[in-house]
Amino acid sequence: LAKTTQPISMDSYEGQEVNITCSHNNIATNDYITWYQQFPSQGPRFIIQGYKTKVTNEVASLFIPADRKSSTLSLPRVSLSDTAVYYCLVGDISSGYSSASKIIFGSGTRLSIRP
Amino acid sequence: KAGVTQTPRYLIKTRGQQVTLSCSPISGHRSVSWYQQTPGQGLQFLFEYFSETQRNKGNFPGRFSGRQFSNSRSEMNVSTLELGDSALYLCASSSRPASGANVLTFGAGSRLTVL
Repeated sequence: LAKTTQPISMDSYEGQEVNITCSHNNIATNDYITWYQQFPSQGPRFIIQGYKTKVTNEVASLFIPADRKSSTLSLPRVSLSDTAVYYCLVGDISSGYSSASKIIFGSGTRLSIRP
Repeated sequence: KAGVTQTPRYLIKTRGQQVTLSCSPISGHRSVSWYQQTPGQGLQFLFEYFSETQRNKGNFPGRFSGRQFSNSRSEMNVSTLELGDSALYLCASSSRPASGANVLTFGAGSRLTVL
């Protein structure tokens, strides 16, 4: 099972771009990389998922180098409402479906945005 | 489309009591998983159900149990409560993706306090 390592915390200011890097040295061939966002007393919320290169959606971009041993979540022009904990995790897709038990949440990165 | 609904949102119990938490998944989702979140241990996988069958179980004592009904709704039960069981209990549902890894949709959680 691939474990992930993220910075414990990060600080930034409104309007800045924030990049959170996650290390996953033991990622398996079939593993996808998924990022979740969690606000206090709420469940995590899916942000973005990718396998390789770059993925972009309406809220974030995900950069994955060729060796896939790390990934970077990029949040453009953050606001105060982006203050949350961000989790990077990997999951396998055996038989095209990954079991929730194979999804391990790390400690997450606590992102604080200041005015 | 309604999200994942967890009840109750908050509850207080005393040591030795038992508690039952309920989770209604997104319509059409057949997989339901449960997680325990505490400040010290983070998000930890409890168990996963698919079509009324427990597919996987995390490293928790037998006091923690669950079940899933034919309509995919799920319950988890904790017997003989201990102080350390105080936590946010999160339920997530998921469906087989067309591609990529499993994406979990979480409920808001049930906050259990054991006195």
